[in-house]
Amino acid sequence: DQQVKQNSPSLSVQEGRISILNCDYTNSMFDYFLWYKKYPAEGPTFLISISSIKDKNEDGRFTVFLNKSAKHLSLHIVPSQPGDSAVYFCAARRSGGSNYKLTFGKGTLLTVNP
Amino acid sequence: NAGVTQTPKFRILKIGQSMTLQCTQDMNHNYMYWYRQDPGMGLKLIYYSVGAGITDKGEVPNGYNVSRSTTEDFPLRLELAAPSQTSVYFCASIPGQGVGKNIQYFGAGTRLSVL
Repeated sequence: DQQVKQNSPSLSVQEGRISILNCDYTNSMFDYFLWYKKYPAEGPTFLISISSIKDKNEDGRFTVFLNKSAKHLSLHIVPSQPGDSAVYFCAARRSGGSNYKLTFGKGTLLTVNP
Repeated sequence: NAGVTQTPKFRILKIGQSMTLQCTQDMNHNYMYWYRQDPGMGLKLIYYSVGAGITDKGEVPNGYNVSRSTTEDFPLRLELAAPSQTSVYFCASIPGQGVGKNIQYFGAGTRLSVL
């Protein structure tokens, strides 16, 4: 069973526009959420995170929104740049655990066209 | 600052061969993880370690073994390689304390093909 779901395998946007990547989760015990970006032939790199006690976290062009009642989070990139083209993974951590394990979604390939 | 280093970057194995994927981190992180990523899939946890001498299974441990004799090193051993183990393998580590304690830092990956 997939506890973290990214239902859009790919997304294409124009440079300068907003990119919105979505993520849904099923486990109500998740209390911390992260977004990672991955370029081809590289490892994932941390982008932004949010705790379940917040509904929004912003870092420059990147904003993550969390809707706990809907078990949904989204990553907004404004404005989108060609260098943002990558695979984006949503990940979640379960509360109460002492091992800091993460559960990952399958990823969304974002293509930003010049 | 090297971070998490994985070797080799690429490897081709024949069915039944064995090999060790190396992972070293220089950030003094206690927590380390091994994942595999198959095409179109997310990262699946193979094994993890919460400190030297302590390891535990993740979601997909069959066909793999690990050891953690030092804080820095967390090698992943494949015994009797099978085509189903063709994948990209990532090692990660996490501080587990302080600011950023939840953020996993990843190596560049090892691409393994078993033919």
